[in-house]
Amino acid sequence: DAKTTQPNSMESNEEEPVHLPCNHSTISGTDYIHWYRQLPSQGPEYVIHGLTSNVNNRMASLAIAEDRKSSTLILHRATLRDAAVYYCILEGAAGNKLTFGGGTRVLVKP
Amino acid sequence: DGGITQSPKYLFRKEGQNVTLSCEQNLNHDAMYWYRQDPGQGLRLIYYSQIVNDFQKGDIAEGYSVSREKKESFPLTVTSAQKNPTAFYLCASRQGSNTGELFFGEGSRLTVL
Repeated sequence: DAKTTQPNSMESNEEEPVHLPCNHSTISGTDYIHWYRQLPSQGPEYVIHGLTSNVNNRMASLAIAEDRKSSTLILHRATLRDAAVYYCILEGAAGNKLTFGGGTRVLVKP
Repeated sequence: DGGITQSPKYLFRKEGQNVTLSCEQNLNHDAMYWYRQDPGQGLRLIYYSQIVNDFQKGDIAEGYSVSREKKESFPLTVTSAQKNPTAFYLCASRQGSNTGELFFGEGSRLTVL
């Protein structure tokens, strides 16, 4: 399975944008890029996913590099409720499973 | 409301005992998953099932067993063979494709005394 690399932690100020990077240099052409986040003592929740084109939804935007070897999750205006661990995950065409790595812990300062 | 229900939320067990964690979903999802999470760590896949009466080992299946006799149910048994069972266990489900969103339960926290 292709692996992802994320920074261990990031800090942001409230109401400022947050850019979370994810490197996936061994991604294959059919791998989807998924992002989930986990608040303390809860199960993860879906944020966004994409294949090649940039994606937007009510929670965030996903910017995918042209060579697909990296991607960036963008939280446009961070709130205190966005403080969580964010996971970047690749899943192949078989679609059997999602493997979670260590993620990035985001701290939002008021 | 549709969702995933895990029980119990907290469980204590003595060493050498088997324990079964329940996971029920009413989302009509085909695929179900069990993950384990240790403090400060990411999630590791234990077992997953894509259809009834079929399941596959994940990355850390040793010491665990599952069954999938009904579409809505995917119980996990932590056996006495699991060397370090104290952890947070999460069940998830989805419709089954690699574009499908995973829905998670609230988790079960198991402590071995």
